[in-house]
Amino acid sequence: DQQVKQNSPSLSVQEGRISILNCDYTNSMFDYFLWYKKYPAEGPTFLISISSIKDKNEDGRFTVFLNKSAKHLSLHIVPSQPGDSAVYFCAAKETSYGKLTFGQGTILTVHP
Amino acid sequence: GAGVSQSPSNKVTEKGKDVELRCDPISGHTALYWYRQSLGQGLEFLIYFQGNSAPDKSGLPSDRFSAERTGGSVSTLTIQRTQQEDSAVYLCASSLVSTGGAFFGQGTRLTVV
Repeated sequence: DQQVKQNSPSLSVQEGRISILNCDYTNSMFDYFLWYKKYPAEGPTFLISISSIKDKNEDGRFTVFLNKSAKHLSLHIVPSQPGDSAVYFCAAKETSYGKLTFGQGTILTVHP
Repeated sequence: GAGVSQSPSNKVTEKGKDVELRCDPISGHTALYWYRQSLGQGLEFLIYFQGNSAPDKSGLPSDRFSAERTGGSVSTLTIQRTQQEDSAVYLCASSLVSTGGAFFGQGTRLTVV
């Protein structure tokens, strides 16, 4: 039972354009959502998070949008840079419980 | 240390041997997680600690896997009688409380031959 799903295994974007990474979840008890970036041979790096009481959180070039009714969140990267090329994971948790559940990841490639 | 530290970074072991993987979390972080990533797969949850207790060990694949945490700090993941399907990168993460982002170590790449 995949409670967090990233349906796009890969995404290719031109440098300077917007990258939009999508994530869907099924567990209505999730109330905190996170995005991680992972380079090969490294551990995931925390990027940005959002609480279920918000619908948007912004940090520099990264913005996360949350649509609770649709159980959908997205990560926007603007403008995309070649150094953003990595695997992006979304994750979700019930804050009262603590366990982080991850999606399968999306490979982002940003072309110069 | 400044970040989550895992050791060893690489481990090659023979099938049937036991292995121990170590995680040093960020100082003061009460929550500690173990995940693994097999080749081409996502992050698979193994176990979660809050302090020294493990409220969720539902992800441990079999009774060959066990983990402990002592002093609310260092954690050890033990795999007994390793099998080839145990080959994966084992990742540890810690967070200040059960809310908020978790910070990962570099992982231990385990290869069972």
